[in-house]
Amino acid sequence: DAGVIQSPRHEVTEMGQEVTLRCKPISGHNSLFWYRQTMMRGLELLIYFNNNVPIDDSGMPEDRFSAKMPNASFSTLKIQPSEPRDSAVYFCASSFRVTGKAFFGQGTRLTVV
Amino acid sequence: TQLLEQSPQFLSIQEGENLTVYCNSSSVFSSLQWYRQEPGEGPVLLVTVVTGGEVKKLKRLTFQFGDARKDSSLHITAAQPGDTGLYLCAGYNADSGGSNYKLTFGKGTLLTVNP
Repeated sequence: DAGVIQSPRHEVTEMGQEVTLRCKPISGHNSLFWYRQTMMRGLELLIYFNNNVPIDDSGMPEDRFSAKMPNASFSTLKIQPSEPRDSAVYFCASSFRVTGKAFFGQGTRLTVV
Repeated sequence: TQLLEQSPQFLSIQEGENLTVYCNSSSVFSSLQWYRQEPGEGPVLLVTVVTGGEVKKLKRLTFQFGDARKDSSLHITAAQPGDTGLYLCAGYNADSGGSNYKLTFGKGTLLTVNP
C-alpha cells in the first residue's frame, strides 16, 4: 500500500483565496483525521470521520474551514477565504477505528501571504 | 477537553547519553501511543500501550504506561543521532457517546542528539 497520500505537498496562496487540500486514506481504514500543526499549538485535531461520516468538527477554527469525505477513498479540507494565520502544516491520517493506530500522510505545508 | 502535557519541550544531549521524556494527563485513556516525527514528514507510530503498568521495549527505547492509564514515559538508552526528532504522545479515547474514538496529541518533545 502507498500509505496516506496528501496533495499538494506545498501550497502558497494569497490572502482571500480558496484553498483545497486533498487526502487519500489507506484502503480499508474506516477513520480519517485532519490535523493542523504549528510550532505554537502543536498538532491540533480539526475534524474526524468514521465510515465517511463527520463525527466531531469542534476543532475546526472557523466557518471558513470545511471538510468533506464523499467516499471511503477521498477527503478534502477547504479554507475559504484563506488568511495568513492559516499558515501551517496540515496532516491527514487514517486508521482502523478499533485500534486507533494512525497512519499519517506527509502533510501539506500551506503558506498564506 | 483531554490535554496531554509533554515534558521537557526541548532536549539536547550528546550521543551515548540516556534520557526520559514524559507524557501526563488528568484523563484516563483507553490506550496511549508514541510517535516520532522527522522534519518534513508526518508522525510515525512507534508503540501503543494499553494496560496500566505496561512496559514495552523497542530496541533502545522503553515505553511505560502509568498504573492509572493517565501518563506515560519514554526512556532512550545510549541515544544516537538517528534518534533525533519530535516525539509525540497521543491518547486514544471514546467520546461522551462511547461509540466514536479520537486521538489527541501532546505538543511533543523535540530531541536533538549531537554526535
